[in-house]
Amino acid sequence: GQQLNQSPQSMFIQEGEDVSMNCTSSSIFNTWLWYKQDPGEGPVLLIALYKAGELTSNGRLTAQFGITRKDSFLNISASIPSDVGIYFCAGQLSGGSQGNLIFGKGTKLSVKP
Amino acid sequence: DSGVTQTPKHLITATGQRVTLRCSPRSGDLSVYWYQQSLDQGLQFLIQYYNGEERAKGNILERFSAQQFPDLHSELNLSSLELGDSALYFCASSEPSQGAYGYTFGSGTRLTVV
Repeated sequence: GQQLNQSPQSMFIQEGEDVSMNCTSSSIFNTWLWYKQDPGEGPVLLIALYKAGELTSNGRLTAQFGITRKDSFLNISASIPSDVGIYFCAGQLSGGSQGNLIFGKGTKLSVKP
Repeated sequence: DSGVTQTPKHLITATGQRVTLRCSPRSGDLSVYWYQQSLDQGLQFLIQYYNGEERAKGNILERFSAQQFPDLHSELNLSSLELGDSALYFCASSEPSQGAYGYTFGSGTRLTVV
C-alpha cells in the first residue's frame, strides 16, 4: 500500500527548544494533515493544509504543504511539557477515495522540563 | 469529549473468538471510518461508510466486516481472532461536506487477543 515516511521516529528535547518533523512520500497528495495523539485518546487534528506551498500556523505550531505535494513538515516552537505525545502526519492521495487518509507511523515527542 | 463514542474501551478475548466493536458518530456526521492502530504499522485505514452504504475499503481482512445502521452508528465485527489482531481500533466521523478534513476520532477500543 501507499506509504508515508515520517521522521524522526522519536525526539527527546529540553523544554523551550524548537522541534521539527516531516513526512515524505513518493505519491502526490491533495491534502496534508497533522494530528497529535495523547495516551489513551484518539488523534486530534492540529493543522490542515489544502494546497501546495501553503504555510499555516496554529499558535506555536507551523506546518507547510510541500511544493511538490509529496511532503510536509511540522514545526513546534518553544516546546512545553504538554507538547508530549505522538504526532502523526496524514494525507489524502490525489485521485484517492474522498475521506480516507494515509497516516505516517508517528513521531514520539518527549519534553524534559 | 470528541463527540464520537466507542465501546467498549477495552476488550480481552481468546484466539478464534469473535467480537463486535461499536461506534456512535458525532451528531450530524454521516461518514464513519474505521482504523486499526498497531505498534509496528501505525494507523491503517480499514473501511468507510457513508449514510449506511460502504464507500471505501482499505486493508481490511476478510475475517473483518462492518456495517452502518439507520441511526448511523457503526459496528466492526472481527472474527476468528488471531494474536496479531491485537491493536487499538479507532472510529472517526465527519460531516458530509468535509470528508477527511473534518475527521473527529473516538478514543478507541483496545483489543487484546490472548
